[in-house]
Amino acid sequence: GAVVSQHPSWVICKSGTSVKIECRSLDFQATTMFWYRQFPKQSLMLMATSNEGSKATYEQGVEKDKFLINHASLTLSTLTVTSAHPEDSSFYICSARVGQDTQYFGPGTRLTVL
Amino acid sequence: AQSVTQLGSHVSVSEGALVLLRCNYSSSVPPYLFWYVQYPNQGLQLLLKYTSAATLVKGINGFEAEFKKSETSFHLTKPSAHMSDAAEYFCAVRGEGGAGGTSYGKLTFGQGTILTVHP
Repeated sequence: GAVVSQHPSWVICKSGTSVKIECRSLDFQATTMFWYRQFPKQSLMLMATSNEGSKATYEQGVEKDKFLINHASLTLSTLTVTSAHPEDSSFYICSARVGQDTQYFGPGTRLTVL
Repeated sequence: AQSVTQLGSHVSVSEGALVLLRCNYSSSVPPYLFWYVQYPNQGLQLLLKYTSAATLVKGINGFEAEFKKSETSFHLTKPSAHMSDAAEYFCAVRGEGGAGGTSYGKLTFGQGTILTVHP
């Protein structure tokens, strides 16, 4: 099956620094990738839709200047958490869409901001 | 807008017993529904999906789900639980609207149900 990777899988950073998370589709191309955030013991919440070659579309309540998304190629989307704060600590998961109905999910990145 | 509600945040069964995880949906159009499984510190894996074809959908690992329009339900079942089934399960519905719409392809997830399997 299709594989989506995320890097890093786990990151700890100091408050005020920026962190970049990569999402790659390894054996297929994806014009659309999604970024989700999952707080402990909660469901996935869609943050934004990443479209190759165009600006990302953000869900209501998500600060686009804080969560920068770049979809530079058909196999790579990046999420940069700028000026991270402890409340940004979460599990970030990306997915790559194939067709209309199928999303392949990455293994997630756990971000801890001290 | 669509939504899904999972009844029961925790379900505990004995190994070999029936697994039943409940999901009810709300949608103004015929929904596309999904069940995903998440193991600790991992992403989601698709178990099965309903896309308006057969109402009884068979998935991986022996799971199946039945779409019941009259009950607006899409419950997940497995006849005999295995220890390896212990995980968190999410029901999801695909966004309404065609290509180009703001909801196209988006998934809305339920709250999740943690399945515990006892020996």
